[in-house]
Amino acid sequence: DQQVKQNSPSLSVQEGRISILNCDYTNSMFDYFLWYKKYPAEGPTFLISISSIKDKNEDGRFTVFLNKSAKHLSLHIVPSQPGDSAVYFCAASGLRTSGTYKYIFGTGTRLKVLA
Amino acid sequence: GAVVSQHPSRVICKSGTSVKIECRSLDFQATTMFWYRQFPKKSLMLMATSNEGSKATYEQGVEKDKFLINHASLTLSTLTVTSAHPEDSSFYICSARGPSSYGYTFGSGTRLTVV
Repeated sequence: DQQVKQNSPSLSVQEGRISILNCDYTNSMFDYFLWYKKYPAEGPTFLISISSIKDKNEDGRFTVFLNKSAKHLSLHIVPSQPGDSAVYFCAASGLRTSGTYKYIFGTGTRLKVLA
Repeated sequence: GAVVSQHPSRVICKSGTSVKIECRSLDFQATTMFWYRQFPKKSLMLMATSNEGSKATYEQGVEKDKFLINHASLTLSTLTVTSAHPEDSSFYICSARGPSSYGYTFGSGTRLTVV
């Protein structure tokens, strides 16, 4: 059961335009969400996060929007740059009955920014 | 910024042998480290959570005796794949909680190929 879904495996965007990456989740207990960026043969690097008490968090060119009622979050990159080309993973977490947190990752979206 | 060093980045081993993967937090102490496995075109799957000085907590379906985890110090966790088989071939990634309370810093990953 895939609790975190990224339904678009790939996305191509022209340089300078906006990239929008989407992520849907099913577990209403998730209360913290992150986006990671991954280059080939490297580990993921943290990009931006958002807590469920917010609906938007912005950091430079990156903005994450959270729609709790729709169980949907999105990452906006404006303006997109060729260096943004990578695989983007969203991840969600919530407190488990064991008292620990576990991050559930989506399957990733490969973004290609065309020069 | 925070760095988690993972070694080796790539390893090829024969069936039946054991392989040890190291994960070190270089400039912060990590009481908790996580080990993930990524299958092709799949999301990162959490294998286990290792806590310094105590036994690791394994996720359902992960064989404890096959994937030995040791977290002997605040900066080092190791994953040993014992009696490796070709189906163990995968990309393994560690991450450490920190430096911030919500932040996760990932290692660069290890590509294991069992022949």
